[in-house]
Amino acid sequence: QLQLQESGPGLVKPSETLSLTCTVSGGSFSSSSYFWGWIRQPPGKGLEWIGSIFYSGSTYYNPSLKSRVAISVDTSKSQFSLKLSSVTAADTAVYYCARSGYYDILTGYTYYFDYWGQGTLVTVSS
Amino acid sequence: QTVVTQEPSFSVSPGGTVTLTCGLSSGSVSTSYSPSWYQQTPGQAPRTLIYNTNTRSSGVPDRFSGSILGNKAALTITGAQADDESDYYCVLYMGSGIYVFGTGTKVTVL
Repeated sequence: QLQLQESGPGLVKPSETLSLTCTVSGGSFSSSSYFWGWIRQPPGKGLEWIGSIFYSGSTYYNPSLKSRVAISVDTSKSQFSLKLSSVTAADTAVYYCARSGYYDILTGYTYYFDYWGQGTLVTVSS
Repeated sequence: QTVVTQEPSFSVSPGGTVTLTCGLSSGSVSTSYSPSWYQQTPGQAPRTLIYNTNTRSSGVPDRFSGSILGNKAALTITGAQADDESDYYCVLYMGSGIYVFGTGTKVTVL
């Protein structure tokens, strides 16, 4: 059973860069068929997709966040990471990592979030 | 900017049936958007219910079903139970690696 775990600072100062890492265990991370993504949820609000990365390193970002987001992958550590720059209080949220799609030779691409981390709260405050 | 709309709230009686919908601010939802549905209770990570419009995720009871109704994706709960009281989110795949979450529906069972 695939397991995902977010890690990183719970408090970030305004204008600084938020950095989180997702560690994947219990399955094959180093598959050339998987997408990995980040989703966030401000307190009391809905879910928002931030971006995804394919195993190859191709990245896909929410257009509303694209100028501030960078997602990278480290296959040697079975990890992928999120950096969000120039944060403000509006970036305070629970951040989730998830597997965000996969490719199968028989069925083609499947696009959805099937495995989720438990989430980590990041507060932006001085 | 694409907005994916859901009903803000629904109330259903225990044992009753409720259908939640997921629409686009402009245009119709079809299977090509790979609609998926997620259930979330307070303080918990979302749980995947449905993907590819109507495929139930592993372990999801068959009282949850997905479909396309008219120009929207739909999630139907048949025989609602108390622990179905949650927030429900749809997600549409817009192509080019882009996902959009719906606004979410709060379902109350009473």
